[in-house]
Amino acid sequence: AQKVTQAQTEISVVEKEDVTLDCVYETRDTTYYLFWYKQPPSGELVFLIRRNSFDEQNEISGRYSWNFQKSTSSFNFTITASQVVDSAVYFCALSPLDTGRRALTFGSGTRLQVQP
Amino acid sequence: NAGVTQTPKFQVLKTGQSMTLQCAQDMNHEYMSWYRQDPGMGLRLIHYSVGAGITDQGEVPNGYNVSRSTTEDFPLRLLSAAPSQTSVYFCASRQAGTPQGYTFGSGTRLTVV
Repeated sequence: AQKVTQAQTEISVVEKEDVTLDCVYETRDTTYYLFWYKQPPSGELVFLIRRNSFDEQNEISGRYSWNFQKSTSSFNFTITASQVVDSAVYFCALSPLDTGRRALTFGSGTRLQVQP
Repeated sequence: NAGVTQTPKFQVLKTGQSMTLQCAQDMNHEYMSWYRQDPGMGLRLIHYSVGAGITDQGEVPNGYNVSRSTTEDFPLRLLSAAPSQTSVYFCASRQAGTPQGYTFGSGTRLTVV
């Protein structure tokens, strides 16, 4: 069984603050993918990143960075210098590499409010 | 535009009615899946498919049927709608062997009264 936990239900920050969204996962698979998605108020789901379980390098994309630590089963997401447009619900998700079981298990999401 | 197309965008059903939510993708993706989104619960997997003719159950399959007769289409059928099936439904697809994540449709908001 797989499980993704996003313990932070809602976070509120002031613009230009840095914010980290936590994600902890459980899986019996030795190889898997981890994802982050953004859901803005308009409702669509926007893909942000995919990470393979065998690649523990941290990744930076502009103001976004991701810290993957297999030893603690965590895949945290940091937004640097937050902006009002970052206000959204963010979902962490997990998928096996097994081609017969390719679907996503989502966390419950973290709602981020960035105040001007 | 290429992508995942879901129809309808909104639907109101009476308890006991049946209907089919349509999902089509034109990207030749192998993997397709259906999720429902309820407040505070994230997205939960209903059914998924790893290719034409292959489907499997997800976390919450009861009350729903799927089929995958073509690569492009993955319809979700509600057999006898219940108020508990009031939700927002998302269809997603992904191509094997690419670094991209799943592409999601814009969702169908279903209300069962």
